[in-house]
Amino acid sequence: NAGVMQNPRHLVRRRGQEARLRCSPMKGHSHVYWYRQLPEEGLKFMVYLQKENIIDESGMPKERFSAEFPKEGPSILRIQQVVRGDSAAYFCASSPTPYEQYFGPGTRLTVT
Amino acid sequence: GIQVEQSPPDLILQEGANSTLRCNFSDSVNNLQWFHQNPWGQLINLFYIPSGTKQNGRLSATTVATERYSLLYISSSQTTDSGVYFCAVGSEGGSARQLTFGSGTQLTVLP
Repeated sequence: NAGVMQNPRHLVRRRGQEARLRCSPMKGHSHVYWYRQLPEEGLKFMVYLQKENIIDESGMPKERFSAEFPKEGPSILRIQQVVRGDSAAYFCASSPTPYEQYFGPGTRLTVT
Repeated sequence: GIQVEQSPPDLILQEGANSTLRCNFSDSVNNLQWFHQNPWGQLINLFYIPSGTKQNGRLSATTVATERYSLLYISSSQTTDSGVYFCAVGSEGGSARQLTFGSGTQLTVLP
């Protein structure tokens, strides 16, 4: 059973561009979570989704960030008009129930 | 929201030594996990342990939910154990789906 897959593993964007981060959950997992690890702030929850539904987005910045988990295909975290402060590691996790979470390898976003 | 405190923040050991990492939390939980973030940045699941005791090889963990703490034991440490160890909890009173992470324990195992 393959683990949680994220791509790309590294992403470089210039200020003002869009970043799209993809996450494929483990087989059989219908719950997906996104977390962000900023250098001086630690790991923080962003959003929790089930297929076609956002369940909890209380950790998402109010502007420029959005997430989706369509019926078919991976979950997408989208960051519009990136700024240098968006540079971070973004982790996706999945679970079969809303408890034990399995993390992917992360996407390292660098904004130049 | 729930507060998670880990101690010690830094730990340096000689290979072969044993260690205990602690995680205190401020509210009742229904989810507690320990992770190892290796030097390449990957988060490795160690234990899902909202209560009780579990063992996996040289690692074991105990959570005393009524007293709001968890312990991670590493025995006969190896250089590959180096990295940051995180405790993360899901609060009963809040959203169990959100994991709140502690600030981690940076472990360095010297050869």
